[in-house]
Amino acid sequence: AQKITQTQPGMFVQEKEAVTLDCTYDTSDQSYGLFWYKQPSSGEMIFLIYQGSYDEQNATEGRYSLNFQKARKSANLVISASQLGDSAMYFCAMSTTGANNLFFGTGTRLTVIP
Amino acid sequence: EPEVTQTPSHQVTQMGQEVILRCVPISNHLYFYWYRQILGQKVEFLVSFYNNEISEKSEIFDDQFSVERPDGSNFTLKIRSTKLEDSAMYFCASSTGVNSYNEQFFGPGTRLTVL
Repeated sequence: AQKITQTQPGMFVQEKEAVTLDCTYDTSDQSYGLFWYKQPSSGEMIFLIYQGSYDEQNATEGRYSLNFQKARKSANLVISASQLGDSAMYFCAMSTTGANNLFFGTGTRLTVIP
Repeated sequence: EPEVTQTPSHQVTQMGQEVILRCVPISNHLYFYWYRQILGQKVEFLVSFYNNEISEKSEIFDDQFSVERPDGSNFTLKIRSTKLEDSAMYFCASSTGVNSYNEQFFGPGTRLTVL
């Protein structure tokens, strides 16, 4: 069975600082993908970044990077130079080949302080 | 940029009534999904759909739920007799494939309130 754990219900960060949101996962599949989504207060789910289990390099997308540590089964999201607009819920999710659905964590609410 | 659309954005219904939530997936996508998110909780998978049939469903997706692709563009979720606990945000998503690297694109959601 697949499981995603986000242990930080809430995080605060000063504007322009970097912040790391934690995500650990568990799966017996060798091929899987890890995703991060942002959910602002308006409710939509916005895709941020993807990391494949066979990718050797950490994924980066603009100010977002994914710190992938396969042996530890962790896929932490790093947001650099935080902006006020980054205040939102952040969800880590996993998919596995053959199980065509996403498993989500419980989310982390990030608040950026001016 | 192509996007998934959902209607209505908010639906209020009485307990026991039927509701149909509508989605228009991205046009060249082949796989369609419904997820729900009860207020303040995580997003949960309901069902996936491919080639005009359900490919996978969760234990949440019981006999009260059904999905349909009535034409070449719409994808619907029907709840036959709504319960209070069906109140949630319902997200439709679509993807080009079913491999672990296929990104699922989410619609903006329909907030269902059952009174």
